[in-house]
Amino acid sequence: GQNIDQPTEMTATEGAIVQINCTYQTSGFNGLFWYQQHAGEAPTFLSYNVLDGLEEKGRFSSFLSRSKGYSYLLLKELQMKDSASYLCAVRDQRNTPLVFGKGTRLSVIA
Amino acid sequence: EPEVTQTPSHQVTQMGQEVILRCVPISNHLYFYWYRQILGQKVEFLVSFYNNEISEKSEIFDDQFSVERPDGSNFTLKIRSTKLEDSAMYFCASSEELDTQYFGPGTRLTVL
Repeated sequence: GQNIDQPTEMTATEGAIVQINCTYQTSGFNGLFWYQQHAGEAPTFLSYNVLDGLEEKGRFSSFLSRSKGYSYLLLKELQMKDSASYLCAVRDQRNTPLVFGKGTRLSVIA
Repeated sequence: EPEVTQTPSHQVTQMGQEVILRCVPISNHLYFYWYRQILGQKVEFLVSFYNNEISEKSEIFDDQFSVERPDGSNFTLKIRSTKLEDSAMYFCASSEELDTQYFGPGTRLTVL
């Protein structure tokens, strides 16, 4: 089976750093994706990891450890507009659909 | 920047009616997908489409559902005889061969 776990909710302060964790158990692995989803809107692509290590993209970074089945999304210099759900998704084979976690709802407070 | 587009943005229908949700994928993409998200729940895969045929489908994608690429740009999802539990956001996505999937803005389907 496939299972993707991430915390349901997190709260962080404007200007701070927050780390959103994701653990997965899938039959295969061909990439882990992070998407941002504002309420009522479509998921927007943030990052993609297929090899172990850290991928940095501006204020957002994503880390992957395939041996541990673990990833995190790091958001720096939080802004109010970062309040959204963050979805962890795994692709278990080439060109197969994404399997999504339930998402982590992040609230950024002043 | 190219985007996936979807129409309509909202669709309200009576139970038992048929609906067609439309998508225009990014023009050079080869793989197309439909996902749905029931309110408050996770995004779930319905079907993927490549080379004019279904490449994979989930348990949700039963005989009530069908997909079509009627021309070179549109990709449609038809839901026959809609049920109350079909109420959800339906997202179309597309990707290049091994690339990231980009999502459209979604169609909110409400079945009364």
